[in-house]
Amino acid sequence: GAVVSQHPSWVICKSGTSVKIECRSLDFQATTMFWYRQFPKQSLMLMATSNEGSKATYEQGVEKDKFLINHASLTLSTLTVTSAHPEDSSFYICSATVGGGGYTFGSGTRLTVV
Amino acid sequence: AQSVTQPDIHITVSEGASLELRCNYSYGATPYLFWYVQSPGQGLQLLLKYFSGDTLVQGIKGFEAEFKRSQSSFNLRKPSVHWSDAAEYFCAVGFTGGGNKLTFGTGTQLKVEL
Repeated sequence: GAVVSQHPSWVICKSGTSVKIECRSLDFQATTMFWYRQFPKQSLMLMATSNEGSKATYEQGVEKDKFLINHASLTLSTLTVTSAHPEDSSFYICSATVGGGGYTFGSGTRLTVV
Repeated sequence: AQSVTQPDIHITVSEGASLELRCNYSYGATPYLFWYVQSPGQGLQLLLKYFSGDTLVQGIKGFEAEFKRSQSSFNLRKPSVHWSDAAEYFCAVGFTGGGNKLTFGTGTQLKVEL
């Protein structure tokens, strides 16, 4: 149980375009989801906390206008990278809190901006 | 500010040998602690977690970890490593009142020699 499905697993886009990444909780309701960014061979850096029905809370230094987060339902949160540039290329991972304490993670999305 | 330190960036062990991965944290409040494993290009899989109670925690795949409050540590151990254990390991820490946010260590890359 407590599975989070993240799509796409990889995407290549042209510089200046926007890319949407979806994170769905398959068998539970995810009131809170988190979006992380991971650079090669580095740790996960929290970008923002997404709460269903309200605005996301962004970490310091994260551009909210570039990384748009929407959590319109209890099973879906989306991250849209707007006007993507090569420096936005990274591995993006979502996670959700689950009952009993703990977190479940999506399988990640490899974004390459060319 | 809270921080999580994994002192060993890379560790190499022989198959069948024992393993200990170190994790130290700096928090003012009582933490809750996690160990995750990540294979290349994949999301994170929970190995084990500690919230309270018995300080020796058993996890999946034969892993265990011990919470030592006096040392602010939560080291991960396995008595006999298998080649399939080669991966990146992350320690993560959260605390009550922290908005469910996790802070990750920088990770330890485990290589297993056959």
